[in-house]
Amino acid sequence: GAGVSQSPSNKVTEKGKDVELRCDPISGHTALYWYRQSLGQGLEFLIYFQGNSAPDKSGLPSDRFSAERTGGSVSTLTIQRTQQEDSAVYLCASSLAGQGQETQYFGPGTRLLVL
Amino acid sequence: DQQVKQNSPSLSVQEGRISILNCDYTNSMFDYFLWYKKYPAEGPTFLISISSIKDKNEDGRFTVFLNKSAKHLSLHIVPSQPGDSAVYFCAASDGGTSYGKLTFGQGTILTVHP
Repeated sequence: GAGVSQSPSNKVTEKGKDVELRCDPISGHTALYWYRQSLGQGLEFLIYFQGNSAPDKSGLPSDRFSAERTGGSVSTLTIQRTQQEDSAVYLCASSLAGQGQETQYFGPGTRLLVL
Repeated sequence: DQQVKQNSPSLSVQEGRISILNCDYTNSMFDYFLWYKKYPAEGPTFLISISSIKDKNEDGRFTVFLNKSAKHLSLHIVPSQPGDSAVYFCAASDGGTSYGKLTFGQGTILTVHP
């Protein structure tokens, strides 16, 4: 079956512009995660969605970052007034039920460059 | 505060030999550990995992060892193959949370020479 897909694969934007990144999780997966990988760094947790529960937003670095998940499937990560330090690879992952000790499956990522 | 650390940015190994990738952690609440492999322009792919109730888990050429007292885990690849060349990330899950939020290390670039 289809894996996690993300779009766009690459995005170049100017400082101060807003960007939207999209994630389509694996069909049937109820848990969805956003991570980002800055240059030379490991993956950093951003936000977690599970079913209809309130999301865990504890990893969002500032109030310029927000995310939503419509209909329990597709998710959009929005970055407002982008800054150069937002440049990174943004990765989405999904898992079956969001339980501990459960494998997360990652998409290919969106490479964001803020000029 | 880096809770999961991979202190070797890179490792170079000859084909057929053993590759050993290391990972250290500081959070005693971590109870599940995973290794992911990442090729350029692709997302990380799950490789192998281990629960804190075990000290070894083996899957084909890949074995993960966990030393809880030292807060250290390692991934052994035997024999190494050129196709294993990739970035390897160690990750850990906090048993105190209700879901599998992962904390990642910085990654180790493995190069296997033919």
